[in-house]
Amino acid sequence: SAVISQKPSRDICQRGTSLTIQCQVDSQVTMMFWYRQQPGQSLTLIATANQGSEATYESGFVIDKFPISRPNLTFSTLTVSNMSPEDSSIYLCSVERFQKEAQYFGPGTRLLVL
Amino acid sequence: AQKITQTQPGMFVQEKEAVTLDCTYDTSDPSYGLFWYKQPSSGEMIFLIYQGSYDQQNATEGRYSLNFQKARKSANLVISASQLGDSAMYFCAMREANFGNEKLTFGTGTRLTIIP
Repeated sequence: SAVISQKPSRDICQRGTSLTIQCQVDSQVTMMFWYRQQPGQSLTLIATANQGSEATYESGFVIDKFPISRPNLTFSTLTVSNMSPEDSSIYLCSVERFQKEAQYFGPGTRLLVL
Repeated sequence: AQKITQTQPGMFVQEKEAVTLDCTYDTSDPSYGLFWYKQPSSGEMIFLIYQGSYDQQNATEGRYSLNFQKARKSANLVISASQLGDSAMYFCAMREANFGNEKLTFGTGTRLTIIP
């Protein structure tokens, strides 16, 4: 499995501000993903982070709200923009090293928006 | 329609007993994969076990086994000899081939509590 780190691990933010979450992997991976887990809910895919091109967003998620970067095969960032209390969630990045392999998740970022 | 259904929101099991967590899925794709993840209170998602749609045998990983019944579209997780550390949320997930857009779809989860 891959070793995945996320920064920050948790944060408390004021509404209207933005937060950038970093995801770092210890080896090159083909696919990187960003998920949101709202309180008491399951995981919902936000987008697939594509290396060298724009992310592919799922229905209900837009680039203006959740801009994503992936400058290389080991690193990605997710920004949560113009936050509101409804953005309070755990944000998780996951990676897939090879096609058909399991996705491995980072430890998550717990975000609370006041 | 739900692609992944987990009908047990919560379960309580005595320590050392075996436990079965239910998962049914819905897909018309002949090529798919089924996964189970564990999420302790810390929030991390821990990969447990994988079953491919073409795999002939049920997957096993230590105390975890997957009871794969393809015709019934079920992929139940069996944990043998449960331990206190098994208390967590458990999520079933499916990945369809979907013309290369291979994303995971998660069920709603089952909260497992092991009683000493």
